[in-house]
Amino acid sequence: GEDVEQSLFLSVREGDSSVINCTYTDSSSTYLYWYKQEPGAGLQLLTYIFSNMDMKQDQRLTVLLNKKDKHLSLRIADTQTGDSAIYFCAGVFSGGYNKLIFGAGTRLAVHP
Amino acid sequence: GAGVSQSPSNKVTEKGKDVELRCDPISGHTALYWYRQRLGQGLEFLIYFQGNSAPDKSGLPSDRFSAERTGESVSTLTIQRTQQEDSAVYLCASSRPGQQPNQPQHFGDGTRLSIL
Repeated sequence: GEDVEQSLFLSVREGDSSVINCTYTDSSSTYLYWYKQEPGAGLQLLTYIFSNMDMKQDQRLTVLLNKKDKHLSLRIADTQTGDSAIYFCAGVFSGGYNKLIFGAGTRLAVHP
Repeated sequence: GAGVSQSPSNKVTEKGKDVELRCDPISGHTALYWYRQRLGQGLEFLIYFQGNSAPDKSGLPSDRFSAERTGESVSTLTIQRTQQEDSAVYLCASSRPGQQPNQPQHFGDGTRLSIL
């Protein structure tokens, strides 16, 4: 079955760039997403990438997709304290219509 | 409000009791999803509704779990004879029909369920 994996924790200094990585096993992915979850809140869709793309930029966010290695990353430029949250990688895979398969989430801590 | 609304926000109950969790999707969203998030983990898919039918129930972990939806509105997730391993945050999401990402899933804040 599909599996999505992420590192669990990342700590960065305010103003630096953050890079959160994700790997997946199913090569038939159609869409891949990054969600942000703040404490006690639901998930907020940050950005997505279609599997025929290799890069997408949206303001401070850059998504890179390496289909050969089944690797997805989210880069946050000029990281701020308000970016502290859990970031989830998720994908829609073959036959899954809108069923999202999530990674375990990466907790991003931003310190002064 | 205009978002997905879930109630209650917190529920504490004794092992063996039944619980009902409610989700009000965004108006006009015909697709509705339930997910479970255990502490420190990602979200596990439970069930998907299109309208009031459930074409995919594959994520329901046991026959103690069931869900219903009235038309294209409210859904309830029922857990019978709760067990301690049912403790988790239960998240609901809704979307318009169609393939993502044009129709992304919008999430509620979840119900935190604690089984004593």
